[in-house]
Amino acid sequence: GNSVTQMEGPVTLSEEAFLTINCTYTATGYPSLFWYVQYPGEGLQLLLKATKADDKGSNKGFEATYRKETTSFHLEKGSVQVSDSAVYFCALTPWGNTDKLIFGTGTRLQVFP
Amino acid sequence: DAGVIQSPRHEVTEMGQEVTLRCKPISGHDYLFWYRQTMMRGLELLIYFNNNVPIDDSGMPEDRFSAKMPNASFSTLKIQPSEPRDSAVYFCASKTGGARTEAFFGQGTRLTVV
Repeated sequence: GNSVTQMEGPVTLSEEAFLTINCTYTATGYPSLFWYVQYPGEGLQLLLKATKADDKGSNKGFEATYRKETTSFHLEKGSVQVSDSAVYFCALTPWGNTDKLIFGTGTRLQVFP
Repeated sequence: DAGVIQSPRHEVTEMGQEVTLRCKPISGHDYLFWYRQTMMRGLELLIYFNNNVPIDDSGMPEDRFSAKMPNASFSTLKIQPSEPRDSAVYFCASKTGGARTEAFFGQGTRLTVV
């Protein structure tokens, strides 16, 4: 079946540190891949997306590259800020099924000054 | 557009009572999703609709849960009778069709059953 696996959190970093949150997926064909972010007390919002192999999604200094050979979509940021503290969700829409959005379990990021 | 609107934002109820959560999707979106978020299980898809028709309700935990979408601008998720283990944050999301389109989430309803 289709699924998303994320690294467990929390991830704790100092401000200006480099961030990587790992995400791997299981799916047939060519799913679309997404990263969503959830700030405290809010709903999820799209951070970035990639819809085909080797695509790089980017937004607000975050990047993720669609790697079909390793079935991965790792999230990176070169220099995190306190305001990046949130829960990050990796998600996919299966190929051939344009409806369902399947989420990973989420990774909490805590950035300290 | 005001985005996806959910009500109420918080609900505290006693075990055994009926609870109704409401959602207004973004105008023009033809898909609507209900998710439940807990610390133990993360974000679970309960049910989703396309053009007001339920497509997949396999995530609905029990017969105590039911969802309706009487028109394109309104959906409800009902729990009857409620139990303490139903305590969670319930999110509604909507999107247009297509694998590349993003879902837009409401701010959620935090349900506490005591």
